[in-house]
Amino acid sequence: AQRVTQPEKLLSVFKGAPVELKCNYSYSGSPELFWYVQYSRQRLQLLLRHISRESIKGFTADLNKGETSFHLKKPFAQEEDSAMYYCALSGRGDYKLSFGAGTTVTVRA
Amino acid sequence: NAGVTQTPKFQVLKTGQSMTLQCAQDMNHNSMYWYRQDPGMGLRLIYYSASEGTTDKGEVPNGYNVSRLNKREFSLRLESAAPSQTSVYFCASSVRTGTGVNYGYTFGSGTRLTVV
Repeated sequence: AQRVTQPEKLLSVFKGAPVELKCNYSYSGSPELFWYVQYSRQRLQLLLRHISRESIKGFTADLNKGETSFHLKKPFAQEEDSAMYYCALSGRGDYKLSFGAGTTVTVRA
Repeated sequence: NAGVTQTPKFQVLKTGQSMTLQCAQDMNHNSMYWYRQDPGMGLRLIYYSASEGTTDKGEVPNGYNVSRLNKREFSLRLESAAPSQTSVYFCASSVRTGTGVNYGYTFGSGTRLTVV
């Protein structure tokens, strides 16, 4: 069975401070991991995927297979980063995408 | 390029009523999905269709049925709505490469359903 855990429901940071959203997963095979962002009352948007090893809007995430983690980081938070963030996992060749419960990030001025 | 389009955006039903949520994608994706989003529970998969002509149950299929009408369209039906089905429903689509790599899902804007 696959499982995604986001231990923080709420995260509040000041503008310009670093922000890190934790994501741990459980999966026996080869995982594919993603971060999605949902701004207020909007659709979910793909933010990052581990396979692309990219940086989007200043965010990065590294897959750590030893710790089974895929934490999302940004060195300097901006007010427009306030949103709900979901970590998600799929297996290679699998069609189902499993989501964590989400972390609501509030960036204060 | 509209991506994934869902209708309606809002709906209020009385307990026991039925309705169908419509979803269409124009990205030529093979796979389509229906999720529900509830506070504190993230998104949970209701049903999915890996390819045209196939459908499979997800994590929370009870009380729902689906139809993959063609490659573009995937509908979700509530036969007898219950208050527990009050939620925000999202449709999504995806495509995999020839080696099976998933490059992520594209989501619709959601349907906010209230069952009273």
